[in-house]
Amino acid sequence: KNEVEQSPQNLTAQEGEFITINCSYSVGISALHWLQQHPGGGIVSLFMLSSGKKKHGRLIATINIQEKHSSLHITASHPRDSAVYICARGSQGNLIFGKGTKLSVKP
Amino acid sequence: DGGITQSPKYLFRKEGQNVTLSCEQNLNHDAMYWYRQDPGQGLRLIYYSQIVNDFQKGDIAEGYSVSREKKESFPLTVTSAQKNPTAFYLCASSTGLAGVNDEQFFGPGTRLTVL
Repeated sequence: KNEVEQSPQNLTAQEGEFITINCSYSVGISALHWLQQHPGGGIVSLFMLSSGKKKHGRLIATINIQEKHSSLHITASHPRDSAVYICARGSQGNLIFGKGTKLSVKP
Repeated sequence: DGGITQSPKYLFRKEGQNVTLSCEQNLNHDAMYWYRQDPGQGLRLIYYSQIVNDFQKGDIAEGYSVSREKKESFPLTVTSAQKNPTAFYLCASSTGLAGVNDEQFFGPGTRLTVL
């Protein structure tokens, strides 16, 4: 059983739509990471958060520690946002990863 | 420019051969990691190293070996004992332990195919 669950697995949106990707985890954390994997395979870190909310451009990440749940929101989505979004929780010196959410934004 | 490089990008290997994947970073990071990614699965940790000349097994270390002789370099050897080595391999680094409070930086990955 994966300790980090993401939903949905796949998401298709029209350009301009507001997008939400969810992440749930089963144990307490030190930090929750959101990552983006491009079609070529490269991964970049988007956010690292342990409480509250962080915003960077059109991306917003929130976390509810009590409910062990985090969300990644994309406002005014664009085709260039198409990628796999990965949630990971900190665990004893490394990360436990979710399986990812594949987002496709159509023009 | 600071970053992590992995080479080669694509690698083909015959069954029974060992192969070494390169990972170099110039970010002055202490911690380095190797992950394996298979279709439909999350990244899984193979090995990690917190400091030069020290490394620990991750969740799927069987059939793999690593070395950390220099801070900048963390090569991964896929041995013939690895039963299903075809996968996408990602190297990463962080200032300290990523699970605690440090962002992880990833290399571009190496796609290994066993023929």
